[in-house]
Amino acid sequence: EVQLVESGGGLVKPGGSLRLSCAASGFTFSNAWMSWVRQAPGKGLEWVGRIKSKTDGGTTDYAAPVKGRLTISRDDSKTTLYLQMNSLKTEDTAVYYCTTDGLVVVPPACDYWGQGTLVTVSS
Amino acid sequence: DIQMTQSPSSLSASVGDRVTITCRASQTISSYLNWYQQKPGKAPNLLIYAASSLQSGVPSRFSGSGSGTDFTLTISSLQPEDFATYYCQQSYSTPLTFGGGTKVESK
Repeated sequence: EVQLVESGGGLVKPGGSLRLSCAASGFTFSNAWMSWVRQAPGKGLEWVGRIKSKTDGGTTDYAAPVKGRLTISRDDSKTTLYLQMNSLKTEDTAVYYCTTDGLVVVPPACDYWGQGTLVTVSS
Repeated sequence: DIQMTQSPSSLSASVGDRVTITCRASQTISSYLNWYQQKPGKAPNLLIYAASSLQSGVPSRFSGSGSGTDFTLTISSLQPEDFATYYCQQSYSTPLTFGGGTKVESK
């Protein structure tokens, strides 16, 4: 059974940093493309970024609002995905979801989702 | 960036109704269009990928169609568990983008 469990959310001041983790199990993590998607309170879904598998280059892509401030990485030995969040702004307040990207469907889509972790940026 | 526009933003329907939601892309995306369902307080769930392919385990009352710039999600006979918010997403090019959502409410 595919499981994605996010952690690391919490309250942080504007300008601060936070690192989210997503522990993955039930599939071959090293072969998977992974994404982060966020949802501000009462708002719609916003794609944050994606990391490909190392086999496919391990490259990352980001949405414009987060580029240069948020960084996606992976540790295949720990089957864990990370989102390093720096220079946080109040508009980064959201539930952050970890997703697989095309694990079972082609072309890729966000086919499995974690339960999400809430990040609140406030003074 | 490719903009995704969903309509309507909300609709009221009754159990048994046929429901149609549309999604328009700002440029052609071939068939790289996905649909998700989200219930309050829960993570989204993939319903349809590649415009018309049903994700495993999703009831057959859900269907998707379209290609190019115009797409449709249809629920053939609305069930009580289908009251939720639905999002389209293009996976043609990064940044991947979502539509604004359509909330399906009980009439």
